[in-house]
Amino acid sequence: EIVLTQSPDFQSVTPKEKVTITCRASQSIGSSLHWYQQKPDQSPKLLIKYASQSISGVPSRFSGSGSGTDFTLTINSLEAEDAAAYYCHQSSSLPLTFGGGTKVEIK
Amino acid sequence: EVQLVQSGAEVKKPGESLKISCKCSGYSLTSYWIGWVRQMPGKGLEWMGIIYPGDSDTRYSPSFQGQVTISVDKSIGTAFLQWSSLKASDTAMYFCVRTTVTTPVDYWGQGTLVTVSS
Repeated sequence: EIVLTQSPDFQSVTPKEKVTITCRASQSIGSSLHWYQQKPDQSPKLLIKYASQSISGVPSRFSGSGSGTDFTLTINSLEAEDAAAYYCHQSSSLPLTFGGGTKVEIK
Repeated sequence: EVQLVQSGAEVKKPGESLKISCKCSGYSLTSYWIGWVRQMPGKGLEWMGIIYPGDSDTRYSPSFQGQVTISVDKSIGTAFLQWSSLKASDTAMYFCVRTTVTTPVDYWGQGTLVTVSS
């Protein structure tokens, strides 16, 4: 099973600051890494697919990078509405797995 | 319009059985797998397993093998997640999702809250 380790677990950030979340895979997964945002009491929403591909309707301040085992989700100029939990997910091999999540709080 | 509509919240006692559902519509059922994801209170997302409606091929994540049963009724476009004997630790929100296994999840159900308490 591929283990995805996210860091940090929690981040408290002021508006307009840049946020960086990392996701490390226990073995190489190419670019089969996706990012989701989950706001309280909502279903998760796809933010970035295949490590760096943008999703229609997602603000351009969200971007992703990486390949192999190390991946990054970046939120440029954080807005209040970005308060949420963020999860990575690998689709390289079964069983599918998620990272443990990163909660982003607005100061 | 693609929709995954889940059954309503459940309150059960330990030892009871339960089957929750996920009605899929707006797309060809046999073009995608359906997965189930658990989220325990205040915790992260966990893959439970996935099923291919075309032939009911089912793959469980190791932590959930033998703990739950995933099934599908292709004729009514509905996937199911069931327990034969619930435990308090099964208390969680359960999401059904649409995936092709190698692609990201593009649609999520609204979630079904299962509460197990004596």
